[in-house]
Amino acid sequence: KAGVTQTPRYLIKTRGQQVTLSCSPISGHRSVSWYQQTPGQGLQFLFEYFSETQRNKGNFPGRFSGRQFSNSRSEMNVSTLELGDSALYLCASRSRTGLQNLNEQFFGPGTRLTVL
Amino acid sequence: QKEVEQNSGPLSVPEGAIASLNCTYSDRGSQSFFWYRQYSGKSPELIMFIYSNGDKEDGRFTAQLNKASQYVSLLIRDSQPSDSATYLCAVKEDQTGANNLFFGTGTRLTVIP
Repeated sequence: KAGVTQTPRYLIKTRGQQVTLSCSPISGHRSVSWYQQTPGQGLQFLFEYFSETQRNKGNFPGRFSGRQFSNSRSEMNVSTLELGDSALYLCASRSRTGLQNLNEQFFGPGTRLTVL
Repeated sequence: QKEVEQNSGPLSVPEGAIASLNCTYSDRGSQSFFWYRQYSGKSPELIMFIYSNGDKEDGRFTAQLNKASQYVSLLIRDSQPSDSATYLCAVKEDQTGANNLFFGTGTRLTVIP
């Protein structure tokens, strides 16, 4: 079974631009969560989507948004990029949402975003 | 704001020794605890999870949880050079129904051959 895939793997943008990242979950998984990883802040939760609905949201500004399609693929968008948005963006998938199977969550390889 | 604290390290241990990684958390309502391993340039992978006070063993790994002290640890016995990685502690606070994990910034472990 293929793992979680993310595209692109690397991206360079300039301040003020916007960016869209894509995540394809493991086949059969309907929950996709997005995380931002930086050296200073570590891994921080952005949001979770399940059945095309945002189920949970972290403490990030409205410039960060996401969506999920009927095939469970998810995209996240960052508008008006800032230097501080440079990070590794990870998505993770699991079969269900809720409290019970966070131990069955698998991460993708990430997209490394650099904002110049 | 929920906080998860880890010593950033680096922690260096000789091959064959026991590596002890520690994590404290601020939210007393936390119920589920996870340890992830992240190799340089790779994504995190789950190696242990624990829900109940006490010890949980899986091969060379033992997770220890003390909810009264708000403390969770990971012991790696017979450490191998392949264990060299950053170890992330993650905490899930169940009571609100929120599904997100709060991560520490990780401890970098180096096992010296």
